[in-house]
Order: sequence, then structure tokens, then C-alpha cells
Amino acid sequence: ETGVTQSPTHLIKTRGQQVTLRCSSQSGHNTVSWYQQALGQGPQFIFQYYREEENGRGNFPPRFSGLQFPNYSSELNVNALELDDSALYLCASSLGLSAGGENGYTFGSGTRLTVV
Amino acid sequence: QKEVEQNSGPLSVPEGAIASLNCTYSDRGSQSFFWYRQYSGKSPELIMSIYSNGDKEDGRFTAQLNKASQYVSLLIRDSQPSDSATYLCAVNGGGSNYKLTFGKGTLLTVNP
Repeated sequence: ETGVTQSPTHLIKTRGQQVTLRCSSQSGHNTVSWYQQALGQGPQFIFQYYREEENGRGNFPPRFSGLQFPNYSSELNVNALELDDSALYLCASSLGLSAGGENGYTFGSGTRLTVV
Repeated sequence: QKEVEQNSGPLSVPEGAIASLNCTYSDRGSQSFFWYRQYSGKSPELIMSIYSNGDKEDGRFTAQLNKASQYVSLLIRDSQPSDSATYLCAVNGGGSNYKLTFGKGTLLTVNP
């Protein structure tokens, strides 16, 4: 059974650019959730995708968008990057419409995005 | 605004001591509670979950939940230097059970 994998591990972008982050869900999981963790803060919920549809969104502007593919992998896209977008982006997969149910999430190793 | 508050820390304890980490939450409808450990530069890893009032023990870790007081804690017995990390409290349930709401975390340092 494979875990959650994210790519790339590190990324440096310039303000105003666009970025795409990728996540492969754990085998058998059909739900992917994305979180942003700024330095010194806890992870903040961005959105969740279930069966290719967005199922809930946190307090993030529309320039944060996502996709989920038929194999349940997912992308997070951020347009018009701002300096404050610099953070660790975490992906978690789960089965069904819950935050991981009784066992909580297993997070991927994350993508460290730096905007300069 | 649903909030999760943790004692700000940092918390420093000697090796072998008990470390106590605390968390309060604002949403009375919350149903599931989690403690994650995060080493510097790494992603969070789940160490404990609890759903019912009372204590839940797993090795050196004990989670305590009091829903009436909206309080959850984590005790680490016989603390080891390898326990040095940031501990994140996370809450799920109520009207938005599809997401976890995290506290800011408490940095724990265990001194040899």
C-alpha cells in the first residue's frame, strides 16, 4: 500500500507567477484535502475534493483552485502568487467525506513553496 | 470562527519528565480530536486520536478529553529528546466535518 506522495518537494517562484502542486492519494482513497501551513502556524484548510468535485473550501481567495482526476490524484493551482503564499503545502487523502474519520489524516511530505 | 487554542510554549522539560500539552476548542459540536507531532521541516504525523470523554493511553502517550470544558490534552511520560517537536492539536466535526481545524502548535524541547 503506497502512502500520499507530493511533488515537487521544493519550489521557488516569483511574485505574480502561477504554480501547480501535485498529490497522489493513498491507494483506495477517494478524497483529497489540501492545507497551507505558514511558518510558525498550524495547517489551514484550503479545500477538499471528493470524486472530482470540490466539497468544501476554507477562507482562501479564488486564485487558489484545484482539480481531482479520475484516479483520485489532485492538483493545487495558485495564480498571481503573493509573498504571503510562501508556505508548506500539505496534501492528505482519505476515504469518504470526512477529515480522515477515526484515524485522522495521513499527510504527504509536503511541498515547500517560496515566493520571492 | 471556529478556533483551536494551544498553550503557546515553548515548553522545556528534562529527559524522563512528564510533558503536558493543552488545547481548547470553541465548537461544541466537535466530535473527533487529534494530536499530531511535527518535526522541523517535516509534515505532521498523527500520534493520538480521541473521541470520548476520559483518557486514552498509547504507550508513553495519554490523551485526555473533556467535552464539557471543551478541553483536550496530551501527556507524554518519560519524555525523550526524540520527543522534541511541535505538537499540533486538531479538531474535527460539528458543522464542517470534512476538515480539521488546527491550533498553532506547541514547541516541546526535551533536554538530556
